[in-house]
Amino acid sequence: AQSVTQPDIHITVSEGASLELRCNYSYGATPYLFWYVQSPGQGLQLLLKYFSGDTLVQGIKGFEAEFKRSQSSFNLRKPSVHWSDAAEYFCAVGRGSGGSNYKLTFGKGTLLTVNP
Amino acid sequence: GAVVSQHPSWVICKSGTSVKIECRSLDFQATTMFWYRQFPKQSLMLMATSNEGSKATYEQGVEKDKFLINHASLTLSTLTVTSAHPEDSSFYICSAMKRPGELFFGEGSRLTVL
Repeated sequence: AQSVTQPDIHITVSEGASLELRCNYSYGATPYLFWYVQSPGQGLQLLLKYFSGDTLVQGIKGFEAEFKRSQSSFNLRKPSVHWSDAAEYFCAVGRGSGGSNYKLTFGKGTLLTVNP
Repeated sequence: GAVVSQHPSWVICKSGTSVKIECRSLDFQATTMFWYRQFPKQSLMLMATSNEGSKATYEQGVEKDKFLINHASLTLSTLTVTSAHPEDSSFYICSAMKRPGELFFGEGSRLTVL
């Protein structure tokens, strides 16, 4: 079974500082990899995804993530954090061919606090 | 990006009553939708996979008679919490599959059972 680990429950950074959120996964094949962001009381917004190809993917809001197969990691990065980036971030792994056999498994999330 | 809408955004009901939550894909057709439950400060847990025109597939431990799912059209799935109790209070989120492997999420529905 697939699993997703986000080692950091809570991270605090200063506005303007760089950010890296860690994500490790366990899955036998090459997975679909995602990062979502959730503001309090809201649904999830997709930041970026990796299906295949270039291992460095660019997303919205200035985020990027790098797929490293050897480390089973898909860490999220941003060079300069803005106060509006404060939210909960979820890494997710998808498996299945699509349709009813598709399963998306989420990590436990990392709460990002941004200090002024 | 694609738009998935949930309604209602929040609902308060009395214990023993039933509550229906709708999930609509507004600009694409989705043969498969998913329902998740999220407890405070926790991750999303998949409850069931909703398949258009057929029965939903429930995850282990989810009571299918308690959480009724209907996917009557390619743009609408509904989750009905039957005979709700306070322990059913939670944040329910749906998602719809636009393309293989790509899900779009609704805004979530907060249920409070008194």
